[in-house]
Amino acid sequence: GQQLNQSPQSMFIQEGEDVSMNCTSSSIFNTWLWYKQDPGEGPVLLIALYKAGELTSNGRLTAQFGITRKDSFLNISASIPSDVGIYFCAGRTGNQFYFGTGTSLTVIP
Amino acid sequence: EPEVTQTPSHQVTQMGQEVILRCVPISNHLYFYWYRQILGQKVEFLVSFYNNEISEKSEIFDDQFSVERPDGSNFTLKIRSTKLEDSAMYFCASIRQGEVTQYFGPGTRLLVL
Repeated sequence: GQQLNQSPQSMFIQEGEDVSMNCTSSSIFNTWLWYKQDPGEGPVLLIALYKAGELTSNGRLTAQFGITRKDSFLNISASIPSDVGIYFCAGRTGNQFYFGTGTSLTVIP
Repeated sequence: EPEVTQTPSHQVTQMGQEVILRCVPISNHLYFYWYRQILGQKVEFLVSFYNNEISEKSEIFDDQFSVERPDGSNFTLKIRSTKLEDSAMYFCASIRQGEVTQYFGPGTRLLVL
């Protein structure tokens, strides 16, 4: 199957700091998505990206669809304790969604 | 706001037993999905379902797995003869036609002993 690698694997940051994480793939995707998963729950969509080069914001979150269509990044500005969770990127091809390996974020108050 | 629901929330079964995981997608959605997430690992695509048939499936979705939409609301995943390695969270998701926003259910935690 498709491999989407996320980095870093985990992050420990102070409240108020900015966060940056990225996702790379060996395959091209037509849509990139970023999800957040809280413990014991299903992933929740944060941002969807549809075009190479697209930069999209959702509140404190900003994500970009890489020009090569093989990567994407997610930035979170001014982190708050409720940002804690696991962030997954996902690439869509056809009706399949491939998820990345995840970045675990811990925000220290 | 409409939600995807899944039952049961937890299931413990003996190896070799059959299990059926149930999902009720959001009512006006047309695409349905099952995913698996082994503890601490990434979410893995199993199968997508559209227009009463499987649209795509992954290599994980072998002959032990099957999906069904027995009526207008339920969407089920059956594992015929469970193995220890089937222990995972299983998530159902649905999408409205023309959109990419997948709405995930809360998951069923399956433990195979």
